[in-house]
Amino acid sequence: KAGVTQTPRYLIKTRGQQVTLSCSPISGHRSVSWYQQTPGQGLQFLFEYFSETQRNKGNFPGRFSGRQFSNSRSEMNVSTLELGDSALYLCASSLKTSGLTDTQYFGPGTRLTVL
Amino acid sequence: EDKVVQSPLSLVVHEGDTVTLNCSYEVTNFRSLLWYKQEKKAPTFLFMLTSSGIEKKSGRLSSILDKKELSSILNITATQTGDSAIYLCSSGTYKYIFGTGTRLKVLA
Repeated sequence: KAGVTQTPRYLIKTRGQQVTLSCSPISGHRSVSWYQQTPGQGLQFLFEYFSETQRNKGNFPGRFSGRQFSNSRSEMNVSTLELGDSALYLCASSLKTSGLTDTQYFGPGTRLTVL
Repeated sequence: EDKVVQSPLSLVVHEGDTVTLNCSYEVTNFRSLLWYKQEKKAPTFLFMLTSSGIEKKSGRLSSILDKKELSSILNITATQTGDSAIYLCSSGTYKYIFGTGTRLKVLA
């Protein structure tokens, strides 16, 4: 079974631009969660989508948004990029919503650099 | 506010040593605690713990949860250089909170 895939793997943008990241979960998984990982803050939860609905949201500004499609693929969008948005963005998929005990499988991440 | 704290922040040991990594949590409506290993890429799943006192084992790695103490430990015996990584624990209910991780370096 193929793992979680994320595209692109690397991205360089400038301040003020916007970016869209994509995540394809493991086949059959309906939950996709997004995380931001930085050296200073570690892994921080952004949001979770389950069956095309945002189930949970972390403490990030409204510039961070996402959506999930009927095939469970998910996209994350960051508008008006700031230097502090430079990070590794990870998505993770699971069979069930994270509200139920389950295991998350992570993708390789998208390394975003904002100049 | 929910939080997960790991200790130590970093650890350097020699091959063959045994290490114990700690994770404490304060989360509302606790459901599970998960351990991950992260090398240069995405975290890979190690263990999921939901019940107190039941040890989970996988080769040289083992982990146990103590709900009374709101903590968990991850043990690695007979460490190898390939165990060098950041070990993350996470917990949560409807969203997973991660600790900042323990960076383990195993010297040959």
